[in-house]
Amino acid sequence: GAGVSQTPSNKVTEKGKYVELRCDPISGHTALYWYRQSLGQGPEFLIYFQGTGAADDSGLPNDRFFAVRPEGSVSTLKIQRTERGDSAVYLCASSPGTGGLYGAFFGQGTRLTVV
Amino acid sequence: AQKVTQAQTEISVVEKEDVTLDCVYETRDTTYYLFWYKQPPSGELVFLIRRNSFDEQNEISGRYSWNFQKSTSSFNFTITASQVVDSAVYFCALTGSGGYNKLIFGAGTRLAVHP
Repeated sequence: GAGVSQTPSNKVTEKGKYVELRCDPISGHTALYWYRQSLGQGPEFLIYFQGTGAADDSGLPNDRFFAVRPEGSVSTLKIQRTERGDSAVYLCASSPGTGGLYGAFFGQGTRLTVV
Repeated sequence: AQKVTQAQTEISVVEKEDVTLDCVYETRDTTYYLFWYKQPPSGELVFLIRRNSFDEQNEISGRYSWNFQKSTSSFNFTITASQVVDSAVYFCALTGSGGYNKLIFGAGTRLAVHP
C-alpha cells in the first residue's frame, strides 16, 4: 500500500487477555518503529527494528510487551495479560533508512482499550 | 538526556490570524534533527518538516514557516493566515545522532482555528 497500515484500528479487550496489533510498513522501508500515545501526550518510543531484528527495545514498559518482525516487513506487537493502563493508541512508523535524515512515516494507529 | 518542551498546551485563534507554536529542546548531541508533525483528528501523524542541527536557515513553505535558533535551542513554527483546516495537534520532535531516528516528542500543542 501507499502508506503504513495498522490493524485493527480499534481493539477493545478485557483485562488479562492477550492482544496482537499488526503493522504493515511502506514497501521497501527497512526500519520500523512502534510508539505508544496516551491521551493528551506525545508518542513515546517502544521498539525499533532494522530488518528482522529488534535493534532497540528499551522503550518496552515490561516483559508483557513483545514485538516481532520475522520477515523484515510486517510487524506484530504482542501484549500479554493486558492491564487497564495499557489503554492507549499504538502507532507504527517506518522509514527507508536509519538516521534522522529520513524521518518516519506513521500509520493511523490502533486504539487499544482494556476494560 | 534528550527532551522536547512545548509549553503551549492549547491555542485558540480566529481564521486568518497568524499563530506561532513554540518548541524548546535539550540535547547533548552535536548532530541532531528536529521535526514537526501534525496530528489531525483522524490520528495519523503527518510529517511537516525536518531540520538538521547544522542548518539554521529559516524555512518557508506556503503559509508555514519555521525559525530554528540554536542559541536558544528553539525550533518554532508559524502558520500565517490560519485556516480552519489547520486545526490539529502539532508535535515537535527531536532525534539524536545514534544512527537511527528514535524520535523524542513533545507533549504537543492543540491548535483550534475558529471561523
